[in-house]
Amino acid sequence: DAGITQSPRYKITETGRQVTLMCHQTWSHSYMFWYRQDLGHGLRLIYYSAAADITDKGEVPDGYVVSRSKTENFPLTLESATRSQTSVYFCASRTGGSEAFFGQGTRLTVV
Amino acid sequence: QKEVEQNSGPLSVPEGAIASLNCTYSDRVSQSFFWYRQYSGKSPELIMSIYSNGDKEDGRFTAQLNKASQYVSLLIRDSQPSDSATYLCAVGKDYGGSQGNLIFGKGTKLSVKP
Repeated sequence: DAGITQSPRYKITETGRQVTLMCHQTWSHSYMFWYRQDLGHGLRLIYYSAAADITDKGEVPDGYVVSRSKTENFPLTLESATRSQTSVYFCASRTGGSEAFFGQGTRLTVV
Repeated sequence: QKEVEQNSGPLSVPEGAIASLNCTYSDRVSQSFFWYRQYSGKSPELIMSIYSNGDKEDGRFTAQLNKASQYVSLLIRDSQPSDSATYLCAVGKDYGGSQGNLIFGKGTKLSVKP
């Protein structure tokens, strides 16, 4: 199916565990993004990528790692999950100058 | 100063009224501007994009851009209860070191009362 998909949709993990959230897009968009959304904070950029093997930090990158070996995939890894990383995570993609399209979101709970 | 600022609301309007949502941005080189609507528990979805100064109309929605004042607005005419959602303003950084980045405001929560 065309579009942008995230997996899993829901995840519960324990403090200290490593967690990877997946994002896949079928449009060959150059730019991909990871945002987290928390009440009162809106969408905050964690990392973005301009192309394969090119990534850059956003507003809240601490505790997260990204990679982009292929244009269509942009996984986000929490190296050692903390309770403060409980959030809804959105992946998005766009071409330069265009609107961004969002995945369905991943609701992550760290206990 | 935040790069993209919006009043968090909530903004409450009666059904049938005009809802006016505002957004200011700090980076003068921004060239692309977007309004998204987000229902509770859902992903943001695009309502309008605007790239040039002036107004752009699409059905009940009108986006207004004033680059000199670094100001973007969204007007919703004949507001309906189904318009109740959070509206997110986004600004594209299409030049320079952060080229391609898309920065969002915190969003304005709109409530349309029947």
